[in-house]
This record gives sequence, C-alpha cells and structure tokens, in this order.
Amino acid sequence: DAGITQSPRHKVTETGTPVTLRCHQTENHRYMYWYRQDPGHGLRLIHYSYGVKDTDKGEVSDGYSVSRSKTEDFLLTLESATSSQTSVYFCATRGGQGAPANDSPLHFGNGTRLTVT
Amino acid sequence: SQQGEEDPQALSIQEGENATMNCSYKTSINNLQWYRQNSGRGLVHLILIRSNEREKHSGRLRVTLDTSKKSSSLLITASRAADTASYFCATDTDTGRRALTFGSGTRLQVQP
Repeated sequence: DAGITQSPRHKVTETGTPVTLRCHQTENHRYMYWYRQDPGHGLRLIHYSYGVKDTDKGEVSDGYSVSRSKTEDFLLTLESATSSQTSVYFCATRGGQGAPANDSPLHFGNGTRLTVT
Repeated sequence: SQQGEEDPQALSIQEGENATMNCSYKTSINNLQWYRQNSGRGLVHLILIRSNEREKHSGRLRVTLDTSKKSSSLLITASRAADTASYFCATDTDTGRRALTFGSGTRLQVQP
C-alpha cells in the first residue's frame, strides 16, 4: 500500500539487543496494528493502537512494546531480541479518523524481515 | 488462537483452471475478508462478505459464506499465472480493537 512505509525492510541483529521497527502512514488512519507472520501461523496480532498514546496488547505481545506519539507513526520495540522473534513484521492501518467501519479493510505495509542470531 | 483455518495449504493448477480455497472459523463474525499476498509484499484486500450475505462476486472472484457451518470459500475463475500468491481469510469479530484475525493461508501456484 502506497500510504504505509515500514523501516527498515530487513534487519539482522544479535540476541539480547534492542530493536525498533517503524511504521509511517500518510492515510491519517486512527487505528494501527503490528502483526507478525510465521510459517504455519498466518498473521498474529502483537499490539494495536486506537489513537495517539492509546495502545493495547494483541495475542502475542510478550517481549514487545509499542509507542504512538503521532498519528502517522507507530513504533514496535523488542527490548531484548530473542531467536523466537525472528519473523516478518507487518504494520497495518484501518479506517478513517474515527473508529473504523465494520466493513473497512486493513491496509498493509510491505513488511520488515527481522532475523535474530 | 487462530480464528481462520485455510484448506488446502497449497494448491497447484494450470492456467485457465479454477482455484477454490476454503476457510473455516470458530466464533461468530461481523464479516469475513479475503486477502492476497505476493512474495515479499504486504497483504492486499480482495473482497469482503458480510455475515448476512451468502455470496459475493468481484471480477473473477466469487466468495461464499455459510455461517451455520462457519466456513467460507474463495473461487478464482480462469486463473492466470499472475494469480500465483498466498491467499488469506480474515475474520472481523465484534471487539473494540477492530483487528482482523487471520488464517494460515493457501499458497496458490498457477502454472503457465
């Protein structure tokens, strides 16, 4: 999706190091999400945000934290990376400036491939 | 826990054939959406079907929904090599997070 940029696109890091992934959107969407994608698991929700400074946990939030200081940016931080966090991470947005309509789709970035050695 | 499970996990067909993918889910839903993912890219929304709809069409795509069986199917007619991708179903349940729950996907290979 042209309106969502994830950085970096690829990263290799060592176990125990902190890592921050960035998601930037130009859609002015209020709701933003971080998913991870692993073979055989599809996409699993890590954290989501329903507004600036408003975040909550998803199904697989252990070891991750997020921050949203501006509408446009949603950061995902691995405080101390582990090999189990090797994955492809996707950011997504939904809806408009308010709560998304029930029939609105998610818009995805192109992902960050993270390898923890 | 995964809400949607796709079947088959992988599908290989010839150009011009139809491709059918199935999705089963566990809880009641507001709607069900299908997404496509090309290798190395993010997911792209294809089609949405509401819980009170039974069938929906969009171009070469046909989606059905059976809420009594908690299942959906995606049919791609007259497939093309460019349809090669992974396809995911995603369910939207009535939670405040407005997040979608995804299945594990079907990898479709269309041979030219």
